[in-house]
Amino acid sequence: KNEVEQSPQNLTAQEGEFITINCSYSVGISALHWLQQHPGGGIVSLFMLSSGKKKHGRLIATINIQEKHSSLHITASHPRDSAVYICAVRYLGAQKLVFGQGTRLTINP
Amino acid sequence: NAGVTQTPKFQVLKTGQSMTLQCAQDMNHEYMSWYRQDPGMGLRLIHYSVGAGITDQGEVPNGYNVSRSTTEDFPLRLLSAAPSQTSVYFCASRPTGGSNYGYTFGSGTRLTVV
Repeated sequence: KNEVEQSPQNLTAQEGEFITINCSYSVGISALHWLQQHPGGGIVSLFMLSSGKKKHGRLIATINIQEKHSSLHITASHPRDSAVYICAVRYLGAQKLVFGQGTRLTINP
Repeated sequence: NAGVTQTPKFQVLKTGQSMTLQCAQDMNHEYMSWYRQDPGMGLRLIHYSVGAGITDQGEVPNGYNVSRSTTEDFPLRLLSAAPSQTSVYFCASRPTGGSNYGYTFGSGTRLTVV
């Protein structure tokens, strides 16, 4: 069982819809990362969170430390948002990242 | 451009051949790491380093060697390539000294072992 669970694994939506991707983890963390990977492309870091909420353009990331849960929201989704979104955590006292399996998002025009 | 540079972008090897995947960063990041990405498996840590002269194993280190002689470079060596090492490899770096720093990833190396 992966220590970092993402849901859904696949998500297809229409342009303009509000998108939510969820991430749950098992023990205390020092930071949680949201990453984006376009098909055949590299990996881009979107957010790093240790508490609260961050916003960048149409993307919003939240984290609830007590519930060990984070969400990535995309408002007014666009076909160019189609990508794999990956959640990764760095556990307390650890150097390495533990990755979720990723959520494949497809936004249709 | 500042960032993490990986070379080559694509490589085909025959079983048993050796090669080195290069990773260089110019951000003076202490922490560097190598991951492999396989369909349905997500990203898995191969080796990592917290500074020059220091390396450690990740989840899937077998068949790979690393060294860290400088802060900038963190090469990954395949001593005798196997078809199971066909994958996409990513290098990533970040500063150490706290949890408030994000990772910078290289663009990846797509390796095929035949």
